[in-house]
Amino acid sequence: AQSVTQLDSQVPVFEEAPVELRCNYSSSVSVYLFWYVQYPNQGLQLLLKYLSGSTLVKGINGFEAEFNKSQTSFHLRKPSVHISDTAEYFCAVSDTFGNEKLTFGTGTRLTIIP
Amino acid sequence: GAVVSQHPSRVICKSGTSVKIECRSLDFQATTMFWYRQFPKKSLMLMATSNEGSKATYEQGVEKDKFLINHASLTLSTLTVTSAHPEDSSFYICSASVPGQGAQPQHFGDGTRLSIL
Repeated sequence: AQSVTQLDSQVPVFEEAPVELRCNYSSSVSVYLFWYVQYPNQGLQLLLKYLSGSTLVKGINGFEAEFNKSQTSFHLRKPSVHISDTAEYFCAVSDTFGNEKLTFGTGTRLTIIP
Repeated sequence: GAVVSQHPSRVICKSGTSVKIECRSLDFQATTMFWYRQFPKKSLMLMATSNEGSKATYEQGVEKDKFLINHASLTLSTLTVTSAHPEDSSFYICSASVPGQGAQPQHFGDGTRLSIL
């Protein structure tokens, strides 16, 4: 079984400032890692994913994340945020054995301050 | 890209009513779809895995007689909330993966806001 921890439930950031949203996971097996974004009253949109290979993955909207196996982390970063980045961000994991079930963290609400 | 369509986007109905939510994969065939429930300001909770042509697999604690899932075709799964009560009010989201492409991420519908009066 896997679990995902997003310690920050809310993160306020000034516009054009950098941001990091933290994600730590726990698993007894190897995992795939994902970040999703959810805008109000909408479903989830994939930002980026780590399956294998380079530990630094780049996604849409200027976001990137780095997989750190020793620290079991997959933090999401963006060097300069915009008002349009205001949303809920979810970190998720699945195992690598073909089980497509996703385990989600509790989410981080990113609020951009003009 | 892969698109998942969910309908309706919002439902308001009286207690005791049964409500059906549809989840369609528009440009791919999905042998497996997933149904999630999201409580206000909470994460997504997987309710069940919908398998085309066979019974759904429910997560622990989810009442299968309450939340009926049918996956009759490769592009459609339905979730029926039977005899809905106010505590069933929630945001329900479906997802599907494009099969045969390895570890593809799931593609999500836009969700259904269910409000039971």
